[in-house]
Amino acid sequence: LAKTTQPISMDSYEGQEVNITCSHNNIATNDYITWYQQFPSQGPRFIIQGYKTKVTNEVASLFIPADRKSSTLSLPRVSLSDTAVYYCLVGDSGAAGNKLTFGGGTRVLVKP
Amino acid sequence: GAGVSQSPRYKVAKRGQDVALRCDPISGHVSLFWYQQALGQGPEFLTYFQNEAQLDKSGLPSDRFFAERPEGSVSTLKIQRTQQEDSAVYLCAGTRTVSTGELFFGEGSRLTVL
Repeated sequence: LAKTTQPISMDSYEGQEVNITCSHNNIATNDYITWYQQFPSQGPRFIIQGYKTKVTNEVASLFIPADRKSSTLSLPRVSLSDTAVYYCLVGDSGAAGNKLTFGGGTRVLVKP
Repeated sequence: GAGVSQSPRYKVAKRGQDVALRCDPISGHVSLFWYQQALGQGPEFLTYFQNEAQLDKSGLPSDRFFAERPEGSVSTLKIQRTQQEDSAVYLCAGTRTVSTGELFFGEGSRLTVL
């Protein structure tokens, strides 16, 4: 299973853009990169998934360079409610029962 | 149901007691996962079901842990003779199809063993 490394914590302010970079040097050909968000006392929630280049949805963008050894989750104009733990996962999402490894996550604190 | 439902949300057990945690996934979700999340840590895989078949139980920490999904919908995670190190949040997640794709998590069951 590909191992991921991401910062333990990040602070930001309301209205700023937050970028969280995840390293996954031994990513495999079939692996996708997926990000989850988790609030206290809740289960993780899917944010975005990508394979290469750039993916954008209504809440975030995911940038993946050509070598795919890292990825950056971008949260535009964060608000206080974006304070959460963000997990970067790498795995073959097309495989049955792929036991995704969450790692420690990045704790993002958005200040007023 | 509209989402993944887990019960009980909170459980306090005395050391040595048996506990049962229930997961009611989204209707029609084929795959079901159990994760264990210790305080301040990321979720760790416990076991995986495809319909009623338990295809991977490599993450179960000991033979005191047992999971079942007899009719391919509701799943139960049972922990026998609970120990203090079993204290954690137990998360259930499902996916629409066989492939992992997007996991839909419940809110978890917080187990505290005294």
